[in-house]
Amino acid sequence: AQSVSQHNHHVILSEAASLELGCNYSYGGTVNLFWYVQYPGQHLQLLLKYFSGDPLVKGIKGFEAEFIKSKFSFNLRKPSVQWSDTAEYFCAVTGNAGKSTFGDGTTLTVKP
Amino acid sequence: DTEVTQTPKHLVMGMTNKKSLKCEQHMGHRAMYWYKQKAKKPPELMFVYSYEKLSINESVPSRFSPECPNSSLLNLHLHALQPEDSALYLCASSPLGTARGLRYGYTFGSGTRLTVV
Repeated sequence: AQSVSQHNHHVILSEAASLELGCNYSYGGTVNLFWYVQYPGQHLQLLLKYFSGDPLVKGIKGFEAEFIKSKFSFNLRKPSVQWSDTAEYFCAVTGNAGKSTFGDGTTLTVKP
Repeated sequence: DTEVTQTPKHLVMGMTNKKSLKCEQHMGHRAMYWYKQKAKKPPELMFVYSYEKLSINESVPSRFSPECPNSSLLNLHLHALQPEDSALYLCASSPLGTARGLRYGYTFGSGTRLTVV
C-alpha cells in the first residue's frame, strides 16, 4: 500500500522567508508525485508534479520540489514566500493501481 | 475559474432526503473521481470512473451512489445520509484513468459543501 507523510502540520513564516515543506512517501513501485495547494475558500490546484526525468521540478508561483529517490522524499521549496502563499499544501503520490493518496496537509501562514 | 464545475456549491439535507451532486468537465478527460474532504483533512478517494465505467469503489457505503451518464458528466446520488457524512465533496478529472494518465495530476472542482441535519 502507498502512503504519504507530511512532517509539518503548521508552518508560520514572515514574508520573504524561505520555505521548505517535507514530504515522504512509501510505495514499492514507480510513483508519480504531486504537490497541491488549497487557498482559503478555494479548490485544490496542482502546484507541480514529477514522474520521471530531472528530479528538480519547477511549478507555478515560484515553487519547486526535489525528488530524492534514496530518501523517498519530495520536499517543496520556495526561496521567498509572500503573504498570498498562505494556504494548505498537500503532497500526493499515485502508484500503478491508478489511485492517489494524499498526505495530511501542511497549513502555511505567512505573516505580512 | 476551475474547468471542473460542481453544483450545487452548498447543500443542506435531512437524513431522509434524496439529493444529487453534479460534476461536469469539458476538457476531454476520460477519468473522473469523487473525493470526500473533512475540515483540515486530506481528500479521501471514494469512486473512480474510467471511460465511463466504475473502476474503483473505496468501500463506500451504499447510501452514496455514483453515476457517469457520459464522459463529461459525473453524478453522486445521496440517500439516507448520516450527520457524519457532512463534508466537502470534490470532483476531479484527469486525462486518462490509467497510472500513465495520472502523471498529469488532477483538475479539481470547487466542491459541494454538504451538511446533513
